[in-house]
Amino acid sequence: DADVTQTPRNRITKTGKRIMLECSQTKGHDRMYWYRQDPGLGLRLIYYSFDVKDINKGEISDGYSVSRQAQAKFSLSLESAIPNQTALYFCATRDDGTDTQYFGPGTRLTVL
Amino acid sequence: GIQVEQSPPDLILQEGANSTLRCNFSDSVNNLQWFHQNPWGQLINLFYIPSGTKQNGRLSATTVATERYSLLYISSSQTTDSGVYFCAVIRDTDKLIFGTGTRLQVFP
Repeated sequence: DADVTQTPRNRITKTGKRIMLECSQTKGHDRMYWYRQDPGLGLRLIYYSFDVKDINKGEISDGYSVSRQAQAKFSLSLESAIPNQTALYFCATRDDGTDTQYFGPGTRLTVL
Repeated sequence: GIQVEQSPPDLILQEGANSTLRCNFSDSVNNLQWFHQNPWGQLINLFYIPSGTKQNGRLSATTVATERYSLLYISSSQTTDSGVYFCAVIRDTDKLIFGTGTRLQVFP
């Protein structure tokens, strides 16, 4: 969905490096999410935010941190990347009126 | 926690064929969505359907909440329908729980 953008789209990094993935949305939604997808599997929730002051851990938050800089921006950081964090990362927003979640195009991260 | 199972895991069709994908969930849910992940990895919303039936072109979906399942119908399949189809549910919290998907390949 073009209203949810992610940067970078692809990133290769080395073990131990700090990485930030950024997400921006123009939908005006308060709720934002970060998921990861491993090959052959569905998405798992890392962190979610109901607004700029409300951030919550998802099911696999260890090794990750987030920052909600504004309603439109939600960043995911890997403080010290490790190879098993190689995955496809998705940002999403949620329309409170319809309960529908909208996903960005994804960031493919490879940790060597 | 709630379990979401999809079947079949893999499906191979010839262009023009119809198909039905199934999503079973282990407890009552507040929200159910169907997504299509195309070969480039993009996730596309298909339906928000906690109950009832909806149609959008060649696709339609039905959720029978009391029996804890949802069906996605694809009619007259095209090669562009290829990819992975996910259902995802929300129960008591804000978290979407995804099934493991059905991988569809449509050949000309």
